[in-house]
Amino acid sequence: DTAVSQTPKYLVTQMGNDKSIKCEQNLGHDTMYWYKQDSKKFLKIMFSYNNKELIINETVPNRFSPKSPDKAHLNLHINSLELGDSAVYFCASTSQDTQYFGPGTRLTVL
Amino acid sequence: SQKIEQNSEALNIQEGKTATLTCNYTNYSPAYLQWYRQDPGRGPVFLLLIRENEKEKRKERLKVTFDTTLKQSLFHITASQPADSATYLCALDEVGASKIIFGSGTRLSIRP
Repeated sequence: DTAVSQTPKYLVTQMGNDKSIKCEQNLGHDTMYWYKQDSKKFLKIMFSYNNKELIINETVPNRFSPKSPDKAHLNLHINSLELGDSAVYFCASTSQDTQYFGPGTRLTVL
Repeated sequence: SQKIEQNSEALNIQEGKTATLTCNYTNYSPAYLQWYRQDPGRGPVFLLLIRENEKEKRKERLKVTFDTTLKQSLFHITASQPADSATYLCALDEVGASKIIFGSGTRLSIRP
């Protein structure tokens, strides 16, 4: 019954590696997002897709590449991970102005 | 520059009292403002939305006000309970940009 799900929940990896985070929503929403929440709990938008089309790209380094195979999925691939990428990443989908968030993926880069 | 400020990083109050959290913004003209609750290790959960033409909105023990002249929203929890302890985030829409912007949150602790 999970509305917005993300995998994995935790991701620990070495600097320089490439990793992916997957997101799926079963709410039938057209718009999905990726947010980054840093250690100070500040939640910042990274990307937004509407029906598989990129509509927002918030000056995120091009090491981050979102991919939306269909409107229920929005995955995030990160190349050449850096220490500063350590954060919690949240996927969300939206209906009528309300955001529905996934449980988050805590990424730790060593 | 545009800013959203939740001017208490943390708030600690006695059970049963009313908790009041503040959200101020500058250089925005939002059509609406939202409040979310975030528990540790979880994603934010939507609580209330208030539109620019609404002064006040209520949901059970929650009340939100929106003053577009003062550029401020107040979020009240009446008869607070320890289970209300969480971080509360305000968010507003950036008109024409198809996105919402979040404040940094207020961590609320209700002591028994």
